[in-house]
Amino acid sequence: GAVVSQHPSWVICKSGTSVKIECRSLDFQATTMFWYRQFPKQSLMLMATSNEGSKATYEQGVEKDKFLINHASLTLSTLTVTSAHPEDSSFYICSAGENSNQPQHFGDGTRLSIL
Amino acid sequence: EDQVTQSPEALRLQEGESSSLNCSYTVSGLRGLFWYRQDPGKGPEFLFTLYSAGEEKEKERLKATLTKKESFLHITAPKPEDSATYLCAVYAGNNRKLIWGLGTSLAVNP
Repeated sequence: GAVVSQHPSWVICKSGTSVKIECRSLDFQATTMFWYRQFPKQSLMLMATSNEGSKATYEQGVEKDKFLINHASLTLSTLTVTSAHPEDSSFYICSAGENSNQPQHFGDGTRLSIL
Repeated sequence: EDQVTQSPEALRLQEGESSSLNCSYTVSGLRGLFWYRQDPGKGPEFLFTLYSAGEEKEKERLKATLTKKESFLHITAPKPEDSATYLCAVYAGNNRKLIWGLGTSLAVNP
């Protein structure tokens, strides 16, 4: 089955640091990947759609200069949280699907804690 | 507006006590409905895809069904390891984004 790998699984860093999270599709090519944020006991909130070879599409209210997305290949998308602050602490999850009607498969998420 | 609603919000069962979770949807042009399981601190794990009314899928103690307005996830003789949050999501119209329900938190007591 389709496998999505996300790294790192846990990051703790100081305020002002930039943090990069990687999302890889291991056994399929993904022209589109998705980045979500999840707060405790809440459902997934879509942040942006990452498109291979072009700019990401951000959801309303998500700062594109704060959350930089790069999708340079068909198997890798990265999310960089720039100049992170404590309010950016959250659980970030990526997903990818083989095409627009197939289910999305998720990485195991990244727990980001900003001190 | 496309919407997905899950009920109940939380459910506590005794081991072996079968039950059903509901996912009702109001969308224009359903292209697929998906069930996921999410354990704490993990990403959602894909369970089932349903594409058309009348379709059913089964896996171990879980069975998913679909009508034109809702889907059920039936859990037969659950075990404690079935405890998790179950999420429902749909693709609708030309939208590439999934529309998510808020989930049902299931706890199965031994």
